[in-house]
Amino acid sequence: QVQLVQSGAEVKKPGASVKVSCEASGYSFTNYGVSWVRQAPGHGPEWMGWINTDNGNTNYAQKFQGRVTMTTDTSTSTAYMELRNLRSDDTAVYYCARDLPVLYLSNRFDPWGQGTLVTVSS
Amino acid sequence: DIQMTQSPSSLSASVGDRVTITCRARQRISNYLNWYQQKPGKAPKLLIYAASSLQSGVPSRFSGSGSETDFTLTISSLQPEDFATYYCQQSYNTPFTFGPGTKVDIK
Repeated sequence: QVQLVQSGAEVKKPGASVKVSCEASGYSFTNYGVSWVRQAPGHGPEWMGWINTDNGNTNYAQKFQGRVTMTTDTSTSTAYMELRNLRSDDTAVYYCARDLPVLYLSNRFDPWGQGTLVTVSS
Repeated sequence: DIQMTQSPSSLSASVGDRVTITCRARQRISNYLNWYQQKPGKAPKLLIYAASSLQSGVPSRFSGSGSETDFTLTISSLQPEDFATYYCQQSYNTPFTFGPGTKVDIK
């Protein structure tokens, strides 16, 4: 079955970086894109950006521009999201989700990974 | 950014009730509207995409309607497993944005 499995929880200090992985299985990885979405405790989801897993093209939310990098390793069907210069308000569950291979064509997120809790604390 | 609002923010309902949740976009978004269900401690699950298309495997008691700025998610007969929080999300333009959620709990 289609599945996305993410890396484990992380605890980071302010100013540090975190890199979350998302391994896909059950489908042809490069036929779909991947979006990253985070959810702070008690809040709704927040879209961070999208990557075309075939050519590496990305689209980042302006809020995260300059701090986030999304990449893929097609040999292992794995997507990565790195967030730098972490702050306490970056504490959230980070999700990857399968998306369409192009933008602006009724993009939707299905399925989602199980989530990775990133805690930023001094 | 396109702001999404939802109403109500929460509701109490009984098994078998018909439940309607509304989502409103601050600008016209055609039918680029998705609905998700999230249970505590779990990832969101796609229910409806493109405003009214039922995602494969989702029970037919879920339906979506609307276009441009006003959208509705309807659960025709609420089941015990439907108690959850529901989010709408626009995919008309980046950044894709979500509504604040509607929590459905047991009356």
